Amino acid sequence: GAGVSQSPRYKVAKRGQDVALRCDPISGHVSLFWYQQALGQGPEFLTYFQNEAQLDKSGLPSDRFFAERPEGSVSTLKIQRTQQEDSAVYLCASSPGGGTGDTQYFGPGTRLTVL
Amino acid sequence: QQPVQSPQAVILREGEDAVINCSSSKALYSVHWYRQKHGEAPVFLMILLKGGEQKGHEKISASFNEKKQQSSLYLTASQLSYSGTYFCGTETDYKLSFGAGTTVTVRA
Repeated sequence: GAGVSQSPRYKVAKRGQDVALRCDPISGHVSLFWYQQALGQGPEFLTYFQNEAQLDKSGLPSDRFFAERPEGSVSTLKIQRTQQEDSAVYLCASSPGGGTGDTQYFGPGTRLTVL
Repeated sequence: QQPVQSPQAVILREGEDAVINCSSSKALYSVHWYRQKHGEAPVFLMILLKGGEQKGHEKISASFNEKKQQSSLYLTASQLSYSGTYFCGTETDYKLSFGAGTTVTVRA
């Protein structure tokens, strides 16, 4: 079946603009994760959903970052008043279960560039 | 806290072997290994759960020593397709913390 998809693949924003990044997880997957990957680094955890519930948002760097998954499938990561330090690749991952030891399947990411 | 990977980079000729190490200062539930090629999604290779098991995927295998909080990934008889950046992800409470990655270049 289809893997995790993300859109847009590339986004250029002027500093101060708001952006919305979309993630379509694998159908039926309970858990959804957002990660931020800076150039030359590994992904860093941002937030975690189990169905529609946001169970962990400890990795969100500031209150300008907001994520939602209202119907337990598609998720949107919104960044308000973007800053240059927000430039990164934003990866979404989903896993079939809601517990530990589950494989996380990653999407191709959205590369955000803030000018 | 992020796990520490070593080496940072390795260059191999086709057919050579390599080992990538991953160590953590925290108790781990599992270790996940991924390979990422430039501009692409990280691709899942394998997951190792507590218990010191060893798993394999084609000619790529891994071990997990939970007492030492370490995992190693073994690339055997490397192929050109093995080139990429390898990340270990250490799991505590469902969250993955990734190392900085090991860049593997396999040359003909």
